[in-house]
Amino acid sequence: DAKTTQPTSMDCAEGRAANLPCNHSTISGNEYVYWYRQIHSQGPQYIIHGLKNNETNEMASLIITEDRKSSTLILPHATLRDTAVYYCIARPRGGAQKLVFGQGTRLTINP
Amino acid sequence: EPEVTQTPSHQVTQMGQEVILRCVPISNHLYFYWYRQILGQKVEFLVSFYNNEISEKSEIFDDQFSVERPDGSNFTLKIRSTKLEDSAMYFCASSFGQGNTGELFFGEGSRLTVL
Repeated sequence: DAKTTQPTSMDCAEGRAANLPCNHSTISGNEYVYWYRQIHSQGPQYIIHGLKNNETNEMASLIITEDRKSSTLILPHATLRDTAVYYCIARPRGGAQKLVFGQGTRLTINP
Repeated sequence: EPEVTQTPSHQVTQMGQEVILRCVPISNHLYFYWYRQILGQKVEFLVSFYNNEISEKSEIFDDQFSVERPDGSNFTLKIRSTKLEDSAMYFCASSFGQGNTGELFFGEGSRLTVL
């Protein structure tokens, strides 16, 4: 599985867009980029995933560079409840493929 | 919205005792997983399960661990003889797994404390 690199921590003001970067320079063609978050000690929560096109859902947008070596998760209007650890994971296509969690980025939303 | 449910939310046990953690995955999902998270550490993969057999397991998942889907709805993790270092949050997850809908959905976890 491709290794991903994320900043250890980030801060963002409430109401602003939070942009979380992720590097995955060794990603292979059959690996998707998945984003999850973990609020305190709760179970990881799925946010979004993509292969090469940009994706948007009700939670966030995912911007993947054309060479697929990096991506950015965008939370458009961050709230205090978005304070969490965010994980960027490269995961091969295929039914039983596991997610491999790294250390993630601890995002703190400040009032 | 369908969700993965886990019981118990917290279990305290004595070292050497057997523990069973239970999970009810989302009903139409086909792939099931157990993860654990020791306090302050990252979420670690233990095992994946599909078609009534283990698909993959990590080196953490030794002979003390076993999984079972006894009745078509529950998915259980058994630890045969608990050790102090088994104290952790245990998360169950499930996924539909076909096509582009492979995202895993996690339960809220079972906290295991071994004394």
